[in-house]
Amino acid sequence: EPEVTQTPSHQVTQMGQEVILRCVPISNHLYFYWYRQILGQKVEFLVSFYNNEISEKSEIFDDQFSVERPDGSNFTLKIRSTKLEDSAMYFCASSPDRARNTIYFGEGSWLTVV
Amino acid sequence: GQNIDQPTEMTATEGAIVQINCTYQTSGFNGLFWYQQHAGEAPTFLSYNVLDGLEEKGRFSSFLSRSKGYSYLLLKELQMKDSASYLCAVRVLTGGGNKLTFGTGTQLKVEL
Repeated sequence: EPEVTQTPSHQVTQMGQEVILRCVPISNHLYFYWYRQILGQKVEFLVSFYNNEISEKSEIFDDQFSVERPDGSNFTLKIRSTKLEDSAMYFCASSPDRARNTIYFGEGSWLTVV
Repeated sequence: GQNIDQPTEMTATEGAIVQINCTYQTSGFNGLFWYQQHAGEAPTFLSYNVLDGLEEKGRFSSFLSRSKGYSYLLLKELQMKDSASYLCAVRVLTGGGNKLTFGTGTQLKVEL
């Protein structure tokens, strides 16, 4: 079964450093998402991406965050200057279209900011 | 905005049946998902309801009442491996896609 893959699985970074989290969505999917989950809290929507542009973003997704689809397969989340409160599991997800009942999540990238 | 409520914890016995409830208030409702999440892992899709009624999928069933803003996930013949967090998530269609708003999850513990 096709799956969303994410790298790295775990990254430790110093406060103020830039981090790039990478995702390879399922190949025929058109909609891509980033969610995050702070330890012990609920999964939160960050951003959705379609047709090479952001279609929606949450209040969490401020100017320090950016997303990019640099080629035909990768989808990246960049955090420009990490803060302690950015420590969380970041999940990439993809879906073939916006209305069907299939939203697949990757295994997550655990980011620890120290 | 969206508001989703589900119990924080539940305990059940192996082989039994458990029902996990979820209530929601939202604008632009376009479906309700149930996910299973083991600690430190990704949410795994279990079921989806967009119309009222019951959807059955093996040991798992999910029910939706849109007028009441209510759903439940029913797990039958519980197994130890079913110990996990169960996430209720409401989908809202947005201009360019869709987004899921998750509840805090119900931590289910299955005991012998």
